[in-house]
Amino acid sequence: QVQLVQSGAEVKKPGASVKVSCKASGYSFTSYYLHWVRQAPGQGLEWMVRINPSGGSSSYAQKFQGRVTVTRDPSTSTVYMELSSLRSDDTAVYYCARGGALGYCSGGGCFSFDYWSQGTLVTVSS
Amino acid sequence: QSALTQPPSASGSPGQSVTISCTGTSSDVGNYNYVSWYQQHPGKAPKLMIYEVNKRPSGVPDRFSGSKSGNTASLTVSGLQAEDEADYYCSSYAGSNNLVFGGGTKLTVL
Repeated sequence: QVQLVQSGAEVKKPGASVKVSCKASGYSFTSYYLHWVRQAPGQGLEWMVRINPSGGSSSYAQKFQGRVTVTRDPSTSTVYMELSSLRSDDTAVYYCARGGALGYCSGGGCFSFDYWSQGTLVTVSS
Repeated sequence: QSALTQPPSASGSPGQSVTISCTGTSSDVGNYNYVSWYQQHPGKAPKLMIYEVNKRPSGVPDRFSGSKSGNTASLTVSGLQAEDEADYYCSSYAGSNNLVFGGGTKLTVL
């Protein structure tokens, strides 16, 4: 079965960086886009970035450009999301989610998320 | 992009129907048939309930349906059940590989 499993909770100080991993299993890792979505405590969902696990290209929400880096390791079916210059309002649960199938979805069809990870709580506090 | 607008809360009695709206603009909801709806129970990850406006993933009960008119999308839950009590989020493709979510609606089953 499809599973997305993330690394554990993190506590960081303002100005630091955090790197969260998402390991995929149960499907062909390089065949589906992977996205990162975050949710601040008591707040709604916010889309951050998408990566093509096959070629490594990515698309970022304008808000996060320059502060988020997403990479992948096909040998371990793992995607990494690094957020830098952390602020207190970056405190949130960060989810990875599977998007559309490469070569089959197009445009917005690649942006519905059928499987989600359990999430990783990142706390930014001095 | 600004978040899509959802009512903060909605409610209905068991067996009734309830509709949750999701209002965007001509740059997102009004321009693309790529609206999705997610259900989220407390402390859990979201679950895809509707994609491409009105399509249901396998396993999602047909009590859940989606529609769109102009810049507003809607999720209707028919035959409300206790387990439908959750937060619901809409999302819409906004062009140029961007996605916007709604602020969420807390559905209460009375």
